[in-house]
Amino acid sequence: KAGVTQTPRYLIKTRGQQVTLSCSPISGHRSVSWYQQTPGQGLQFLFEYFSETQRNKGNFPGRFSGRQFSNSRSEMNVSTLELGDSALYLCASSLVERADTQYFGPGTRLTVL
Amino acid sequence: AQTVTQSQPEMSVQEAETVTLSCTYDTSENNYYLFWYKQPPSRQMILVIRQEAYKQQNATENRFSVNFQKAAKSFSLKISDSQLGDTAMYFCAFMGYNNDMRFGAGTRLTVKP
Repeated sequence: KAGVTQTPRYLIKTRGQQVTLSCSPISGHRSVSWYQQTPGQGLQFLFEYFSETQRNKGNFPGRFSGRQFSNSRSEMNVSTLELGDSALYLCASSLVERADTQYFGPGTRLTVL
Repeated sequence: AQTVTQSQPEMSVQEAETVTLSCTYDTSENNYYLFWYKQPPSRQMILVIRQEAYKQQNATENRFSVNFQKAAKSFSLKISDSQLGDTAMYFCAFMGYNNDMRFGAGTRLTVKP
């Protein structure tokens, strides 16, 4: 079974632009979570989707948003990019909505210039 | 809010020896899950081991085992017969009722030949 895939793997944007990252979960998995990883703040939870509904959201500004499609694929969007948004964005999927192991994708490395 | 603390930023071990990575957490929940993830230089997060808080028996996965002390809120990872491929960042993670995972800051483990 294929693992979690994320596209693109690398992105370079400039301040003020917006960006959309994509995540395809493991086949059959219905929950998708997003995390931001930076050297300074470590791994931080962004949000979680299950059955196209956002069930939980971390402490990030409204510039960070996401959605999930009926096939469980998920996208996250960051608008008005700031230098501090440079990070590795990780997506993880799990089979069910609660208390289930999350399996991670390879991440998208976003650089904001 | 749940917090996860990994007090050892870096550790090293000789190949074939045993090493223990420490993790403590803080929570008021009774039912939760704990994980150890490994992140090699490729940045892919790989699940190492999972522990359910309601289980008294410590989880094991081949050379990896945990020492779970619920009362002390401690969750250490023991790696036996260390191999060069074990070189990576190791993250301890807590998942509670809300299903969002909280990660520790990580321990960078180097296995020396």
